[in-house]
Amino acid sequence: KQEVTQIPAALSVPEGENLVLNCSFTDSAIYNLQWFRQDPGKGLTSLLLIQSSQREQTSGRLNASLDKSSGRSTLYIAASQPGDSATYLCAVKNSGNTPLVFGKGTRLSVIA
Amino acid sequence: GAVVSQHPSWVICKSGTSVKIECRSLDFQATTMFWYRQFPKQSLMLMATSNEGSKATYEQGVEKDKFLINHASLTLSTLTVTSAHPEDSSFYICSAWSGMGGTDTQYFGPGTRLTVL
Repeated sequence: KQEVTQIPAALSVPEGENLVLNCSFTDSAIYNLQWFRQDPGKGLTSLLLIQSSQREQTSGRLNASLDKSSGRSTLYIAASQPGDSATYLCAVKNSGNTPLVFGKGTRLSVIA
Repeated sequence: GAVVSQHPSWVICKSGTSVKIECRSLDFQATTMFWYRQFPKQSLMLMATSNEGSKATYEQGVEKDKFLINHASLTLSTLTVTSAHPEDSSFYICSAWSGMGGTDTQYFGPGTRLTVL
């Protein structure tokens, strides 16, 4: 059964700092991996989706990498801003019609 | 991206009553709907998987007689929480996936916050 772990559980950084969020998964035979953002009391916002054949995806200040063989992904946030404060969730899908399995998330606070 | 709506966005009900939550895929046909719930400061936990026209498959520990899922059409799935109790208070999120057209993405609804008094 797929299990997803995210480290750290919480992170507080000063504005402007670059940071890395980590995600690991137990079953490396994934279909794709997705990073989401969740603001308090709100739903999910999809940030980046990496297919199993891809190594990374970029969107603006965000870069996500995938090392399928080692069961790891990282989300890199450059030049962090207070507006980046949220919980970041990593989720993996083992096949097209199976559900995304979520990690517990990393709660990020960016201090102005 | 595709749009998934949920209704209501929040609901407060008395203990013992039933609540129905609707999930619609607005611009694509969802062959599979997934229902998740999220307790405060926890991650999303899968409750059940529903394929259009079939009975839902429930995760271990989720009572199928309490959480009734219907997926009668390719654009609508409903979750009914029967005889709700305070411990059912949670954030319920649906997610739609289409096996047609090649989309690889699960699209998420905005969630429904249920509070049972």
